[in-house]
Amino acid sequence: QKEVEQNSGPLSVPEGAIASLNCTYSDRGSQSFFWYRQYSGKSPELIMSIYSNGDKEDGRFTAQLNKASQYVSLLIRDSQPSDSATYLCAVNGLEGGSQGNLIFGKGTKLSVKP
Amino acid sequence: NAGVTQTPKFQVLKTGQSMTLQCAQDMNHNSMYWYRQDPGMGLRLIYYSASEGTTDKGEVPNGYNVSRLNKREFSLRLESAAPSQTSVYFCASSVVAETQYFGPGTRLLVL
Repeated sequence: QKEVEQNSGPLSVPEGAIASLNCTYSDRGSQSFFWYRQYSGKSPELIMSIYSNGDKEDGRFTAQLNKASQYVSLLIRDSQPSDSATYLCAVNGLEGGSQGNLIFGKGTKLSVKP
Repeated sequence: NAGVTQTPKFQVLKTGQSMTLQCAQDMNHNSMYWYRQDPGMGLRLIYYSASEGTTDKGEVPNGYNVSRLNKREFSLRLESAAPSQTSVYFCASSVVAETQYFGPGTRLLVL
């Protein structure tokens, strides 16, 4: 059974701190990894994609990928109250009938306290 | 450029009623998707259409049908609604089966 696992949280960090969000996946053949942000009552919004092992930085966001450990993470530097949202990890699934479609984790709720 | 649009935004149905959720995208994407999102369950794929003229079942297709009307439009139909179908429904589209862009969602309550 293909799975994407995330700690549901809530993860609470003070304003200005680094928030670290983690995700593990079961499909060793997965090649594409995404982080979506979802504000309460809104739709998911793509914030980062990563395809190769290592780090990818975009502004205050850094995605980290370790395919050997089947682990992907998202770091948010200088966290702001506006970063408070649920963060969804998504991985393309190749096993079973997934045909490359995305498999989503259940999300980690982040709360940034002023 | 509206991106992905969905109608209606909210709907209340009685058990056994039918309805169609509409989705349209103006990004010239080939692939379109329907998801449902329930508390504690995350996003689950109902049906998808990899290209115009094709549709395939996702993880939770029972009780639903879809139509890919043309490249822009992908509709989801509930023939006989059940309380278990109370959920938030999201449509998404992508150029390939990866970077997906979501519509605003339809909140459905089945009584």
